[in-house]
Amino acid sequence: KQEVTQIPAALSVPEGENLVLNCSFTDSAIYNLQWFRQDPGKGLTSLLLIQSSQREQTSGRLNASLDKSSGRSTLYIAASQPGDSATYLCAVRLLRRAGGTSYGKLTFGQGTILTVHP
Amino acid sequence: NAGVTQTPKFQVLKTGQSMTLQCAQDMNHEYMSWYRQDPGMGLRLIHYSVGAGITDQGEVPNGYNVSRSTTEDFPLRLLSAAPSQTSVYFCASSYSRGGPQHFGDGTRLSIL
Repeated sequence: KQEVTQIPAALSVPEGENLVLNCSFTDSAIYNLQWFRQDPGKGLTSLLLIQSSQREQTSGRLNASLDKSSGRSTLYIAASQPGDSATYLCAVRLLRRAGGTSYGKLTFGQGTILTVHP
Repeated sequence: NAGVTQTPKFQVLKTGQSMTLQCAQDMNHEYMSWYRQDPGMGLRLIHYSVGAGITDQGEVPNGYNVSRSTTEDFPLRLLSAAPSQTSVYFCASSYSRGGPQHFGDGTRLSIL
């Protein structure tokens, strides 16, 4: 059974710092990995998606890396801002076949609560 | 561009009542799914659909039913609400099995 762990559970940093969020998974046979952001009382917003064949993806101040062999992904946030404060979730997608259909089951980590203070 | 729309946003039910959580997407996505989010448990998959007329169970399907008569809609039915079903429910869709998931804003459900 795939298990996804995120460390740290919570992180508080001053504005302007570069920071790294970690995600580890137990089954390296993944299809892809997705990082999300969740604001309080809101749904999940997709930040980056890395296919299993890729090593990293970048969007603005965000960079996500993937090391399948070690079962790890990191989300790097450059020059953090108070608006980055949110919960960050990683989710791993596996391939599963059942009854003639196929679907990539998404397994989520518990998330890292990030607070960036001015 | 509405994306994934969930209704209602909040609901309070009494034990034993039934209700339907609505989910609609306007992106012509084939893949849709329902998750529940609970403190300390993270997000868990309830049911999913790979296209109109095709549904399957996720991790925690007991007490819930789904159907997919159109590409756009994927309602989740609680047959007889129990306090253990108090949770935040999210609907998500993607254009392919491996594509990025788009989430709705959630339905916050309390069962008394």
